[in-house]
Parts: sequence; structure tokens; C-alpha cells
Amino acid sequence: GAVVSQHPSRVICKSGTSVKIECRSLDFQATTMFWYRQFPKQSLMLMATSNEGSKATYEQGVEKDKFLINHASLTLSTLTVTSAHPEDSSFYICSARHLALSSYEQYFGPGTRLTVT
Amino acid sequence: AQSVTQLDSQVPVFEEAPVELRCNYSSSVSVYLFWYVQYPNQGLQLLLKYLSGSTLVESINGFEAEFNKSQTSFHLRKPSVHISDTAEYFCAVSDTGFQKLVFGTGTRLLVSP
Repeated sequence: GAVVSQHPSRVICKSGTSVKIECRSLDFQATTMFWYRQFPKQSLMLMATSNEGSKATYEQGVEKDKFLINHASLTLSTLTVTSAHPEDSSFYICSARHLALSSYEQYFGPGTRLTVT
Repeated sequence: AQSVTQLDSQVPVFEEAPVELRCNYSSSVSVYLFWYVQYPNQGLQLLLKYLSGSTLVESINGFEAEFNKSQTSFHLRKPSVHISDTAEYFCAVSDTGFQKLVFGTGTRLLVSP
């Protein structure tokens, strides 16, 4: 149980275009979803926290107009990278949490590799 | 604010040998500590956690970690590793309000025959 999926697993897009990444909790309802970014040989950096039905809370230094997060339902959150540039190339990972399941545990998706050419 | 340091980016070890993956943290408040494992092409999985109580915590697959408050450490150990333990291991800390996880840079455990 507690499976989180991400789609796509890999995406290549041209500079200036936008790309959407989906994060789904498959067998539970996620009251909170988190989006992370991971650079090679570096830590996972939290980008934003989103609660279903409310606006996402972005970490300091993350451009909210560039990384649009929508958490419209209890099983789906999307991250849209707008006007992507090569420096946005990275590994994006989402996680989900439901307080009824656990107050602390986050269930992670497998990640999405974004390459901007 | 919390931070986590994993000094070893890669740890090579032979099968059936013991291993220790180091994790140190800094925080001005009480914390909870976690180890996550990431197998190739998979998401992070919770390996074990320290929330309160006994400072020695164990996982179902033979790993253990000990919370040492005075040394601000939470090192991960296994007395005898298997090839299948090859993965990336991340140490993470959160405040006791579970607001968010702060991760270390990860340690790649490479187990060879």
C-alpha cells in the first residue's frame, strides 16, 4: 500500500516550452504533497508543499511563477515548469502524506527526469 | 533550521562485511531522524526512523541506527551486507512538528561479491 506514481518518468523539452509532471497517490488520499528537486550528487531540495484545495507554500528561492503547483484533488498534484530553460534540467520527485496514515511518513514517487535542450 | 551531513558520498564494501554509513545533523530544536533508501529507478523508501524512546532503532532487513544526541549523529549500520543492499541511502531530519524533511546528500553503498 501507499504507492505514489509520477508521470512521465522522463521528459525532454525545448527551451522556452512548458512541461507538466503529475504525481498521483494510487491507494490513499494525500492531504499533503511535496515537490523536491534533486541535482546530481546533491541532496533532495524541497521546492514546495501543497495541501489539497489550497495554494502551495514555496520554499525560499523557488520561483512560484515558474514552478506552478496544483493540488486539485486528494490523489493528484501537478508541477508545471513554465518557460523551461536548460538550468531547469533536473530530477523532480514528489511525495505524499496523509495524516490518517501517518503524521510523519512521506511516500515518495519514483521521480521524473527533466532535460531541457 | 536543520541541516544534515553525510560525509561519505560512496562506500564500497564486500558482501557479508559490516558497514556503517555516517550521518550528522544540526538543529536548534528537537528533531526526528530518518533513513531512506533509494534503489535504482525507484522512489525513496523509509528504512527506519527515530521519533522517541529507545535510541537504537532497527529495520526489518537487518539495518540499525542509533540516535546519539550528544554527538548529533544517527549513523546507519549493518553487520553483514548483501549484494541487494546496493542502493543510495539518505539521512533526513525534521522538526517534531513534521513540517518538512531536510535531506543529506546521500551515500551510495556499493556491495560487491
